Amino acid sequence: AQKITQTQPGMFVQEKEAVTLDCTYDTSDQSYGLFWYKQPSSGEMIFLIYQGSYDEQNATEGRYSLNFQKARKSANLVISASQLGDSAMYFCAMRVKGAQKLVFGQGTRLTINP
Amino acid sequence: GAVVSQHPSWVICKSGTSVKIECRSLDFQATTMFWYRQFPKQSLMLMATSNEGSKATYEQGVEKDKFLINHASLTLSTLTVTSAHPEDSSFYICSASPALTDHQPQHFGDGTRLSIL
Repeated sequence: AQKITQTQPGMFVQEKEAVTLDCTYDTSDQSYGLFWYKQPSSGEMIFLIYQGSYDEQNATEGRYSLNFQKARKSANLVISASQLGDSAMYFCAMRVKGAQKLVFGQGTRLTINP
Repeated sequence: GAVVSQHPSWVICKSGTSVKIECRSLDFQATTMFWYRQFPKQSLMLMATSNEGSKATYEQGVEKDKFLINHASLTLSTLTVTSAHPEDSSFYICSASPALTDHQPQHFGDGTRLSIL
């Protein structure tokens, strides 16, 4: 079975600072994908970034980057130059190869202070 | 990009009413859609996998007769909460993907907030 753990229930960061949101995962599968989603208070789920288990380079998408450490089974999300609009819940998720389901972590509530 | 539309956004109704929620993939076909439930300050809980043209696959502990799922076309799945009661009040959200390849993310609807009085 797969499991995603996000150990930070809440994070508070000053505007313009970088922030790292932690995600560790557990799976016996060798091929899998890791996803990060943002959920603002309005409720929609916004896809941010993807990392494949065989990708040699860390994924980047604009201000988002993924610090992927396969041996440690961690896939931390890094947001650079945080903005007030980054305040939201952030979920880490995993899907193993051949599976349909996404497995979600508990989420981290990020608050950006002006 | 892939767009998933969910309707309605809000529902407030009396106990005992049945409520139907629609999930549409607007610019792609989806043989599989997913229905989640989310309680306040908690993560998404997968309720069921909706399969076009066949029966849905429900997660353990989810009542099939309570939460009816119909996936009659490649662009539409519906979730009907039958004889809803206050404990069914929650945020329900659906997702779909143009293709279930490893790198393809699921795209989510905007969710439905259901309040049963």
